[in-house]
Amino acid sequence: EVQLVQSGGGLVQPGGSLRLSCEASGFSVSGDYMSWVRQAPGKGLEWVSVIYSAGNTYHADSVEGRFTISWDTHKNMLFLQMNSLRVEDTAVYYCVRQLGFGGFDPWGQGTLVTVSS
Amino acid sequence: QSALTQPRSVSGSPGQSVTISCTGTNSDVGGYKYVSWYQHHPGKAPKLMIYDVTKRPSGVPDRISGSKSGTTASLTISGLQAEDEADYYCCSYAGSLYVFGTGTKVTVL
Repeated sequence: EVQLVQSGGGLVQPGGSLRLSCEASGFSVSGDYMSWVRQAPGKGLEWVSVIYSAGNTYHADSVEGRFTISWDTHKNMLFLQMNSLRVEDTAVYYCVRQLGFGGFDPWGQGTLVTVSS
Repeated sequence: QSALTQPRSVSGSPGQSVTISCTGTNSDVGGYKYVSWYQHHPGKAPKLMIYDVTKRPSGVPDRISGSKSGTTASLTISGLQAEDEADYYCCSYAGSLYVFGTGTKVTVL
């Protein structure tokens, strides 16, 4: 069964750092395209970052230069390193596997990141 | 990276059909055949309903359908059921990046 299980998240002060993890089963994270998507409280879904199977990465303008997406092929895990966190980064973060360029499935269970002093 | 435009809400009675529009630009919706739709119930992970504009994943009923014309994609739910009440989001590939829609709340009257 294809599954994504997330860990990490929690409360962090503005300017702080946090790393989210996502363990995959049933497929290889490095063999597929993988993304992170978030939803701030009361807001809609927002795409955050993607890593393609060739290893190239892209980020939304809102997190460019602060967030880094990566994977560990041996552990079959996806990561999101978040630095210089801002209050507006507060959200539930989801890791997702991509069906090529055309869809996100499945989704991890989501993990809440709260940036507050 | 501007969000795709969706109506804030749509509603219908059980058994009726509703259509949700998703308007973008030639840099996203209009430029690629990679539009997807997600159903989102609060507190749960979003669920893929349509990918590659028109394809349904296994388990999604055929009363759910997708289409695209120019820079506007659409999701149609036929035979509306109580369980269809949820938030719906479109998403488009935008050349290495992705952009979601603003979201639409579907209410079953």
